[in-house]
Amino acid sequence: AQSVTQLDSQVPVFEEAPVELRCNYSSSVSVYLFWYVQYPNQGLQLLLKYLSGSTLVKGINGFEAEFNKSQTSFHLRKPSVHISDTAEYFCAVSDNSGYSTLTFGKGTMLLVSP
Amino acid sequence: KAGVTQTPRYLIKTRGQQVTLSCSPISGHRSVSWYQQTPGQGLQFLFEYFSETQRNKGNFPGRFSGRQFSNSRSEMNVSTLELGDSALYLCASSGGTGPADEQFFGPGTRLTVL
Repeated sequence: AQSVTQLDSQVPVFEEAPVELRCNYSSSVSVYLFWYVQYPNQGLQLLLKYLSGSTLVKGINGFEAEFNKSQTSFHLRKPSVHISDTAEYFCAVSDNSGYSTLTFGKGTMLLVSP
Repeated sequence: KAGVTQTPRYLIKTRGQQVTLSCSPISGHRSVSWYQQTPGQGLQFLFEYFSETQRNKGNFPGRFSGRQFSNSRSEMNVSTLELGDSALYLCASSGGTGPADEQFFGPGTRLTVL
């Protein structure tokens, strides 16, 4: 079984500042890693995913994440945030059990203010 | 291409009643998964269907059930509703069934149990 920990429930940041949202996972098998974003009253949208290969993954809206196997982390970063990035962000994992089931972290609310 | 659609978007029920939620996947997608989202427990996997068969099930009581039709549309049913069933129910469809396949989420059905 795997688990995902998002260390910050809320991250306040000023517009145009850089941001990092932290995610750590625990699994006894190889995993695939995902970051999703949820805007108010909407479903989840995939930002980026790590399947294999390069540990630095680039996604939509200027976000990127780095997979660190030794630290079992997959932190999400953006060099300069906008007001429109205000949303909840979820880190998720699936494993190689053959199922597409996602295990999610509790989410991090990113609050961008002017 | 139309996205995942869920109906109804909002639902209010009373304890003891039953409810049926509907999900139409993206055209061509044959895998449908359901997740429950609550403030306390976060996002939790309910079940996954592929070609009308339940492939995987989360840790929920038997009051939660689902099915998938030959056109890949899916329904989930909750019987004998409890206050704790109040949640956002998200449906996701995928073009494959593997752990690396992207899941596309619908906007959800917000269920309130009074």
